[in-house]
Amino acid sequence: QVQLVESGGGVVQPGRSLRLSCAASGFTFPISTMHWVRQPPGKGLEWVGFISSDESNYNYADSVKGRFSISRDNSKSTLYLEMNSLTIEDTAVYYCARDRGDGSFDSWGQGTQVTFSS
Amino acid sequence: SYVLTQPPSVSVAPGKTATMTCVGTNIGSGSVHWYQQKPGQAPVQVIYSSSDRPSGIPERFSGSNSGNTAALTINRVEAGDEADYYCQVWDRVIDHWLFGGGTKLTVL
Repeated sequence: QVQLVESGGGVVQPGRSLRLSCAASGFTFPISTMHWVRQPPGKGLEWVGFISSDESNYNYADSVKGRFSISRDNSKSTLYLEMNSLTIEDTAVYYCARDRGDGSFDSWGQGTQVTFSS
Repeated sequence: SYVLTQPPSVSVAPGKTATMTCVGTNIGSGSVHWYQQKPGQAPVQVIYSSSDRPSGIPERFSGSNSGNTAALTINRVEAGDEADYYCQVWDRVIDHWLFGGGTKLTVL
């Protein structure tokens, strides 16, 4: 079965960087478009960005453009989210999700939490 | 920018029908997708392409989309359906994905 497992979250100071990973299994990762979606505490879902199967296409939400970067290693079936210049507004649970092929998200990971220390 | 508007909350008695709406300009011209999220859990897709159900989702869940309003309907609501529900669309022109603000379904 499809499994997505995020890791790399934790406590970070404003202005610092963090890299999240998403290990995929149970499906053909190299042909799948993948996304990152986040959810601030007590709030709704926010799309962060996507990357196509061959990395030729990608885009980001305006709130993270220029600070966040998505990449993938198809040989390792792993998706990454590099987050730079982090601010308190980036506090959230970060989910990776697989694109069904129609622009919807048919599988989600369990999420990894990013929080800030003062 | 495009906005999807969902009512913050909907309440329904067990066994009744719950309808949650998602309003967006001309939303009926494209596909809408719906997700269920229970507290402390990841979202789960319950409807894709406006009205299709993923495998494993009960037939009690259905979707519609026309004009400026999409809707998720749950028939014969059960206590286990209590959750937050989000609608979502894909803007193919600018390759952006958008969620509605979510509706909290309370089963009385």
